[in-house]
Amino acid sequence: DTGVSQDPRHKITKRGQNVTFRCDPISEHNRLYWYRQTLGQGPEFLTYFQNEAQLEKSRLLSDRFSAERPKGSFSTLEIQRTEQGDSAMYLCASSSPGTGGTDTQYFGPGTRLTVL
Amino acid sequence: QKEVEQDPGPLSVPEGAIVSLNCTYSNSAFQYFMWYRQYSRKGPELLMYTYSSGNKEDGRFTAQVDKSSKYISLFIRDSQPSDSATYLCALYTGGFKTIFGAGTRLFVKA
Repeated sequence: DTGVSQDPRHKITKRGQNVTFRCDPISEHNRLYWYRQTLGQGPEFLTYFQNEAQLEKSRLLSDRFSAERPKGSFSTLEIQRTEQGDSAMYLCASSSPGTGGTDTQYFGPGTRLTVL
Repeated sequence: QKEVEQDPGPLSVPEGAIVSLNCTYSNSAFQYFMWYRQYSRKGPELLMYTYSSGNKEDGRFTAQVDKSSKYISLFIRDSQPSDSATYLCALYTGGFKTIFGAGTRLFVKA
């Protein structure tokens, strides 16, 4: 399977604990995105990497959240001191700029986080 | 006002019906318009994208964009139970940020 993969698929943690999620994008894609999706809502943009550079972070991303993409390959999203409001599906997507300015993003299956 | 408005539904139709899904948006800078399908507990998958106003057809799916009204639509002909999913509109200015609608839940009854 050459699609976007995410690990773990599910994570249950207690409030105050730290969690880390991993995303492996499609190998030839240089762009990588993290989104958060809550029930009944569309994905909300969190952050964006072009190769290894983190070019944009949403104001939604508090200082408890950090993301890395070492060597421009896989990416990790860490949430420190988790809160119940962090419970959501965390989606990763990757893309490669297309002709005509398009940016077709391919999504992974997501990591569902539950904070107790 | 949200940048993208989408009726969350749910929308329930009998098999074989024509389905119409819609979004309105407020930012005239959006240039690319996409529709994603998301099955329960899965990531979204791209169905169609269009650039600028007009229609684009792909099999049973037709995407329509009216930039003057800031209104986009997805039509599904001969709907099937396998079309039951959440449909998300997504808009893109050409930079890096894609804005998603809240999604419309569709149920196609056999």
